[in-house]
Amino acid sequence: SAVISQKPSRDICQRGTSLTIQCQVDSQVTMMFWYRQQPGQSLTLIATANQGSEATYESGFVIDKFPISRPNLTFSTLTVSNMSPEDSSIYLCSVEGGAWYGYTFGSGTRLTVV
Amino acid sequence: GENVEQHPSTLSVQEGDSAVIKCTYSDSASNYFPWYKQELGKRPQLIIDIRSNVGEKKDQRIAVTLNKTAKHFSLHITETQPEDSAVYFCAASTTGTASKLTFGTGTRLQVTL
Repeated sequence: SAVISQKPSRDICQRGTSLTIQCQVDSQVTMMFWYRQQPGQSLTLIATANQGSEATYESGFVIDKFPISRPNLTFSTLTVSNMSPEDSSIYLCSVEGGAWYGYTFGSGTRLTVV
Repeated sequence: GENVEQHPSTLSVQEGDSAVIKCTYSDSASNYFPWYKQELGKRPQLIIDIRSNVGEKKDQRIAVTLNKTAKHFSLHITETQPEDSAVYFCAASTTGTASKLTFGTGTRLQVTL
């Protein structure tokens, strides 16, 4: 299955600033997914990132707040913009590993906004 | 869009007993149903999955059953061990270019000695 390197693993940020999270995959994948996991909660899909096209955002998430880049088939970034304490969460990237491997996840970025 | 409900939210069993977690989904087009285990501070790990052309799948102490007609699927863990303690998430998706996972709300399983 695909191996995903995600960074940073954690960060503490001031409100009003932005943080960019990076995910690098060890193989080429068509789609990459970005999730948010609020404390004690389930995973909520933010957006799907395809290489060469605009990301597709889920209801409740907008590009101005969570801009995504997908410059090639192995890399993607998610930016959390103009942060507030409500953005404190774990952010995870994910890829589909193919029919036999299912979806795998990066190690996550634990973001605390103060 | 897809909606996945999961029950119970917490489950406490004694070591050696069985644990069952149930999920229902709403979109009849969903055809892939994975289960993830998430330990504290760790990423979700796929433990078993099932596709809609199969009614049951087993891997050692873990089994998953799927009832497409009723749109529900279940995770069964037998002979539970303390290391099974974690949060378990079910999920559902279609396959293909529009695929995306929708997760259930999670079940916190506690296996006591």
